[in-house]
Amino acid sequence: AAGVIQSPRHLIKEKRETATLKCYPIPRHDTVYWYQQGPGQDPQFLISFYEKMQSDKGSIPDRFSAQQFSDYHSELNMSSLELGDSALYFCASSSSSQWNTIYFGEGSWLTVV
Amino acid sequence: AQSVTQLDSQVPVFEEAPVELRCNYSSSVSVYLFWYVQYPNQGLQLLLKYLSGSTLVKGINGFEAEFNKSQTSFHLRKPSVHISDTAEYFCAVSDPISSGSARQLTFGSGTQLTVLP
Repeated sequence: AAGVIQSPRHLIKEKRETATLKCYPIPRHDTVYWYQQGPGQDPQFLISFYEKMQSDKGSIPDRFSAQQFSDYHSELNMSSLELGDSALYFCASSSSSQWNTIYFGEGSWLTVV
Repeated sequence: AQSVTQLDSQVPVFEEAPVELRCNYSSSVSVYLFWYVQYPNQGLQLLLKYLSGSTLVKGINGFEAEFNKSQTSFHLRKPSVHISDTAEYFCAVSDPISSGSARQLTFGSGTQLTVLP
């Protein structure tokens, strides 16, 4: 079965650079979530989208932005990168008809040097 | 606001022994509860979930969890563990009455289960 696809899987950027992470949800899933997991930390909710509209916002820095496109894929844009942004970024998706089952991608590792 | 506490950061256990990973939550409203497993360098995989109904929930890989409302707990158990169960386990809670169409998860800090031969 198709899963949540994230790209790239690994990314190395320098401080003050910009990074973009992409997420392709499971087909027919209309809701996308972004989470950030720092080293040795639990995943922290960043932002979510339902039917291409932002639906919830968590601890997402102002330097970050995200959107969901017409094909339901989502992109997380991170600017003015800081060392502390180094983390594993998860995308997850669910269907509004069964929102309580949230499927996670394998994550994108961002290293800021 | 909700929060999740996983009381043990590390749990070592011998192969074929039983294990219990503890999870307590706090919320002013009813909640949905989840356990996720994260293998090294991989994403989060849903083990099981409690939404309503029977308080004993069975999940994948032989795991089960029991919802105890009076103790606000949702401990994860397995009667006999395997080496392959070595992973990080996260308890999570979602507020079914939260605003918006997407209901995000609040995770606990995780418990590293290490199964020893």
